[in-house]
Amino acid sequence: DAGVIQSPRHEVTEMGQEVTLRCKPISGHDYLFWYRQTMMRGLELLIYFNNNVPIDDSGMPEDRFSAKMPNASFSTLKIQPSEPRDSAVYFCASSRGGTRYFGPGTRLTVT
Amino acid sequence: GIQVEQSPPDLILQEGANSTLRCNFSDSVNNLQWFHQNPWGQLINLFYIPSGTKQNGRLSATTVATERYSLLYISSSQTTDSGVYFCAVDGYNTDKLIFGTGTRLQVFP
Repeated sequence: DAGVIQSPRHEVTEMGQEVTLRCKPISGHDYLFWYRQTMMRGLELLIYFNNNVPIDDSGMPEDRFSAKMPNASFSTLKIQPSEPRDSAVYFCASSRGGTRYFGPGTRLTVT
Repeated sequence: GIQVEQSPPDLILQEGANSTLRCNFSDSVNNLQWFHQNPWGQLINLFYIPSGTKQNGRLSATTVATERYSLLYISSSQTTDSGVYFCAVDGYNTDKLIFGTGTRLQVFP
């Protein structure tokens, strides 16, 4: 298996622009998670899905953030409009029965 | 919510030394994982260990769920062991894997 796939790996954008991060989970996994990592806050859970349904989005910072999972093999995290404080590494992870497997992350820089 | 504390925050070792990393958690858990984040940022699964003991090569882990802690042992450390080690837990009735603040390990030749 190719593991969890994320794209793009790096994204540099200007404040106010829309950013879309993409994730393909491991085939057969029924949970998908979006995390954000910053120096100040460490690794924090933003939202997670079970069988394509959002279960808990209490970690989403504000309405500028949204996530979708239209099918079992694809999810997006969108930020609109982006702000410099959104700069971070965004990880996607998937699981089936406990063990989480993380993707390589997307490093987002908002200038 | 559940709190996860790791110690020590930083650890510097010479190659060949052994080390023990600790993870304390504030409530009962049904999932505990140890990860290694390498210098390139990749989060690598080490162990899924909600209870008991497991070993994988030079690494081993023990979780004592009743006393709410887990230990990660690294023996004969190598420079490639450098990075940050995270403990992460799910509380009961939740799938929200909560991460500790990590232990930063540097191994020098």
